[in-house]
Amino acid sequence: ELKVEQNPLFLSMQEGKNYTIYCNYSTTSDRLYWYRQDPGKSLESLFVLLSNGAVKQEGRLMASLDTKARLSTLHITAAVHDLSATYFCAVDSGGSNYKLTFGKGTLLTVNP
Amino acid sequence: DGGITQSPKYLFRKEGQNVTLSCEQNLNHDAMYWYRQDPGQGLRLIYYSQIVNDFQKGDIAEGYSVSREKKESFPLTVTSAQKNPTAFYLCASSANAVSGNTIYFGEGSWLTVV
Repeated sequence: ELKVEQNPLFLSMQEGKNYTIYCNYSTTSDRLYWYRQDPGKSLESLFVLLSNGAVKQEGRLMASLDTKARLSTLHITAAVHDLSATYFCAVDSGGSNYKLTFGKGTLLTVNP
Repeated sequence: DGGITQSPKYLFRKEGQNVTLSCEQNLNHDAMYWYRQDPGQGLRLIYYSQIVNDFQKGDIAEGYSVSREKKESFPLTVTSAQKNPTAFYLCASSANAVSGNTIYFGEGSWLTVV
C-alpha cells in the first residue's frame, strides 16, 4: 500500500522568509501532484511533476521531484500572506489518475 | 466559463436518509471522480468513472452509489448504509484517466448528519 507523508503538517512563517515542505512516499512512482486548498474551498492544481528531476516554478513556489529518493519538495521563497493555505501532495501509484494517494496536507500560515 | 459545479454547497441529512450530491462539468472531460475529505486528512477516492455508463469503486465505496448516464454529470448518493457520512465531498474531472492529466476540482459540498 502506498503511503504518502508530508512534513511538516503545520508551518507558521514570517513574511519574507524561505521554507520547504517535504513529501515522501513509499513505493516507486514518477508522477506527483501538488495542490493548494484555501479554507472550505476546492483544491487548485499547482504543479504536475512527471519525471525524475522535474522542476517547476510558479511565482514564489517551486516544486521538484526525486524519484530515486521518493521525495518531492515544495519550496517557498520570500513568503507573503496570500500564500497561507493548505498544501497537498498526491502520488500516482499505478499509472492512472484514479490511483492517486494524497498526503494529509501542510497547513501554512504566513504572518506579517 | 468552463468548470465543475457541485450542489448543494451545504446539506443536512437525518439519520436513515439517502441524499444525492450533484456534480456537473462542462469541460468535456471523460473521467470524473468523487473524493471525501475529513478534517485534517487528505482526500480519499469514493468512486470514479472513465467513460459514460461505466464507473468503478474507489478505496471507500461502501455506503455510496453513483451513476454516469451523461458525460457531464456524475451524481453521488450517500445512502443510509454509510455510517459516518459527515464530511466535505469533492467532485473532480480530468480529460481522461491517464496518469499525468491535470485533475480539476469542484467547490465541494459539506454534508452534515443531524
